[in-house]
Amino acid sequence: GAVVSQHPSRVICKSGTSVKIECRSLDFQATTMFWYRQFPKQSLMLMATSNEGSKATYEQGVEKDKFLINHASLTLSTLTVTSAHPEDSSFYICSAGLGSSYEQYFGPGTRLTVT
Amino acid sequence: AQKITQTQPGMFVQEKEAVTLDCTYDTSDPSYGLFWYKQPSSGEMIFLIYQGSYDQQNATEGRYSLNFQKARKSANLVISASQLGDSAMYFCAMSPWDNYGQNFVFGPGTRLSVLP
Repeated sequence: GAVVSQHPSRVICKSGTSVKIECRSLDFQATTMFWYRQFPKQSLMLMATSNEGSKATYEQGVEKDKFLINHASLTLSTLTVTSAHPEDSSFYICSAGLGSSYEQYFGPGTRLTVT
Repeated sequence: AQKITQTQPGMFVQEKEAVTLDCTYDTSDPSYGLFWYKQPSSGEMIFLIYQGSYDQQNATEGRYSLNFQKARKSANLVISASQLGDSAMYFCAMSPWDNYGQNFVFGPGTRLSVLP
């Protein structure tokens, strides 16, 4: 149990376009999901906390108008990278907790390449 | 604010030997959880082991054990009998205990290479 999926696993888009990444909790309900970004050879950095039914909370330095987060249901959160630039190329990982447990479950990640 | 430090950017270990990956942390939270994750080249984050700040005993999970020294604020991961499949990035992370679903703060990671 406690499986988190992400789609797509890899995406290549042209500079200036937008791309949407989905994060789903497959067998549990997640009131809170987290979005991380990982640049090559670096650690995971939290971008935002996604709360079901309310606005996301963004970390300092993360542009909320560029990285749109929608947590429409208890099992789905989406991250949309708008007007993508090559510097947005990164590995994006989501995670979700069960709420009654300390543990978080990570999605497999999405590798975004902006050309 | 919480901070995790992993001072070993890279480590090498001979197959079947034990290896210790260092992790120190800084927090003002009275209760917290400490975690270790493994990230192979595929990118997925694999949960290895957890230690609660009030746990009296060091956590163990199979070949993984956590050497928790609260006074020193260290939570080193010990991998016994290393296997070639253990080669990966290892991240130490922490989270406040009293906030369910609270985000993690990750350390910079240690790349472990197991030599045949």
